[in-house]
Amino acid sequence: KNEVEQSPQNLTAQEGEFITINCSYSVGISALHWLQQHPGGGIVSLFMLSSGKKKHGRLIATINIQEKHSSLHITASHPRDSAVYICAVRKTSYDKVIFGPGTSLSVIP
Amino acid sequence: ETGVTQTPRHLVMGMTNKKSLKCEQHLGHNAMYWYKQSAKKPLELMFVYNFKEQTENNSVPSRFSPECPNSSHLFLHLHTLQPEDSALYLCASSQVSVAGGLHEQFFGPGTRLTVL
Repeated sequence: KNEVEQSPQNLTAQEGEFITINCSYSVGISALHWLQQHPGGGIVSLFMLSSGKKKHGRLIATINIQEKHSSLHITASHPRDSAVYICAVRKTSYDKVIFGPGTSLSVIP
Repeated sequence: ETGVTQTPRHLVMGMTNKKSLKCEQHLGHNAMYWYKQSAKKPLELMFVYNFKEQTENNSVPSRFSPECPNSSHLFLHLHTLQPEDSALYLCASSQVSVAGGLHEQFFGPGTRLTVL
């Protein structure tokens, strides 16, 4: 079992829909990172959070440390949101980053 | 130039070639990273440099040789690669503190490597 899991693996949504991508992990962490990778390969950092909730534009990220779970929400989705969304964590006792397998999102006009 | 840049963006090489990937960060960060992303697999961390010192080497074969001459530049020297080394190689940088934890990393656009 991977230490970082994401669901769903693939997601197709209609433009305007509310989208949720989930990340669960099995190790102790100091913080969690959400990344967006576009089809060309470039990766953009979306959020880094260790508790509570962060919001940036139409994106909202939440984390529950006790439940070892984080969600990334996209409101009013748009085709330009189509990308792979990756969750990453760093263990508290090691200096090692663990990446989830990614969720491939496709938003259809 | 801003952010993190990588050159070349695409590279095709034979198994007997020697090539180098270059990464440069313009963010004043003190840590740099090499990642490998193979098709349909999660990102894999290869090397970490903090303050120009290599602090992590995740069991990477010796045919990959990193070099960090200063805190702004990172190289990945490649020699006698195998076709299974074909992947997207991503560089990132961050500002780390002695407290550790997950520091926000800024990624370059990547080099798409194909080994024939």
